[in-house]
Amino acid sequence: GEDVEQSLFLSVREGDSSVINCTYTDSSSTYLYWYKQEPGAGLQLLTYIFSNMDMKQDQRLTVLLNKKDKHLSLRIADTQTGDSAIYFCAELGGGSYIPTFGRGTSLIVHP
Amino acid sequence: EAGVAQSPRYKIIEKRQSVAFWCNPISGHATLYWYQQILGQGPKLLIQFQNNGVVDDSQLPKDRFSAERLKGVDSTLKIQPAKLEDSAVYLCASSLPRGGRTDTQYFGPGTRLTVL
Repeated sequence: GEDVEQSLFLSVREGDSSVINCTYTDSSSTYLYWYKQEPGAGLQLLTYIFSNMDMKQDQRLTVLLNKKDKHLSLRIADTQTGDSAIYFCAELGGGSYIPTFGRGTSLIVHP
Repeated sequence: EAGVAQSPRYKIIEKRQSVAFWCNPISGHATLYWYQQILGQGPKLLIQFQNNGVVDDSQLPKDRFSAERLKGVDSTLKIQPAKLEDSAVYLCASSLPRGGRTDTQYFGPGTRLTVL
């Protein structure tokens, strides 16, 4: 079945850029998503990218997609303490309406 | 706009007991989802409703889990009897069914279940 892999932890200093990486195995993926989950809260959709795009920028967020390598990344510029959360990568395979989630990357931002 | 409401926020039960979770989606959202999120993992879909009909329940352990969405609004998820491995956060989400793959799912805060 489909698999989505992420590193478990990332620690950055406030003001630096954060890059969270994700790999997936489903070659028929059509959409790829990034969700944010703050402690005690549900998931919040941050951004998504179509599989025929290689980059999408939205304010401090930049998503890069390498479809050949099945690699997705989320760059957060000028990371703030409020960005501390768990970030989930998810992919939507062809013919599916339900995304497959990775295990999440815990981003820790320290002063 | 009010978000997705879930209750209770926390529940502790012993194995073999029963438990029920409640979800109230965003007003006007016809599609409702229940996810199970085990600690350290991403959410896994249990069941999807469109109005009061089931769209997908292929991942729902039907021998012990049941869900209903009467009148196409609120939904309840029940576990009977609970097992230790059911300890997880149960997330409810809702969306407007525009028919596209990017129908944004809005998540509730979840119910954290601990089975002892």
